[in-house]
Amino acid sequence: DADVTQTPRNRITKTGKRIMLECSQTKGHDRMYWYRQDPGLGLRLIYYSFDVKDINKGEISDGYSVSRQAQAKFSLSLESAIPNQTALYFCATGDGPYGYTFGSGTRLTVV
Amino acid sequence: AQSVTQLGSHVSVSEGALVLLRCNYSSSVPPYLFWYVQYPNQGLQLLLKYTSAATLVKGINGFEAEFKKSETSFHLTKPSAHMSDAAEYFCAVSGAWVGNEKLTFGTGTRLTIIP
Repeated sequence: DADVTQTPRNRITKTGKRIMLECSQTKGHDRMYWYRQDPGLGLRLIYYSFDVKDINKGEISDGYSVSRQAQAKFSLSLESAIPNQTALYFCATGDGPYGYTFGSGTRLTVV
Repeated sequence: AQSVTQLGSHVSVSEGALVLLRCNYSSSVPPYLFWYVQYPNQGLQLLLKYTSAATLVKGINGFEAEFKKSETSFHLTKPSAHMSDAAEYFCAVSGAWVGNEKLTFGTGTRLTIIP
């Protein structure tokens, strides 16, 4: 099994719909992160969590929310999806300033 | 605040030629620096990292990078390109202590290998 599992892998949704992207990890790390990737923009941080009771906004958190259900689970929600949230979303986990392990990504299309 | 700038969004090299991907960083604190690779339709894989030990860092697949504080650079090199190196490469920076480890990424460089 993968160290970081993201579901779904691909999703097409309509404008205005609520959608949840899920992430689970088996690394046993406390830190978890959500990034979005857009062509030409690299990866930008949406939210991060250093432990179950700690949630922090990243640079582009507007329109998103997160839930840390357990040490191993970190979900990202789009409350009312809009077309410019079409992107590739990555979850990652780490145990400090030594680099992350990434999931395989969720490709989200909002139509 | 920390940031990285990757010079060249697209780089093409011939198979067997030197690969050089450029990354310059800005950081008000001692940085840790990383290179990640993304193959088509895959996630990001760590190539190598600088965490204040040796300034010349060797990674997987024959890649290496040198941390040059005076030039605020962390360029990625490989002596001889292989077709399998075609991918997108991301430079990233974080703070060098627990609690300041959020990664900030560059915009990426797409590497094309010419047969």
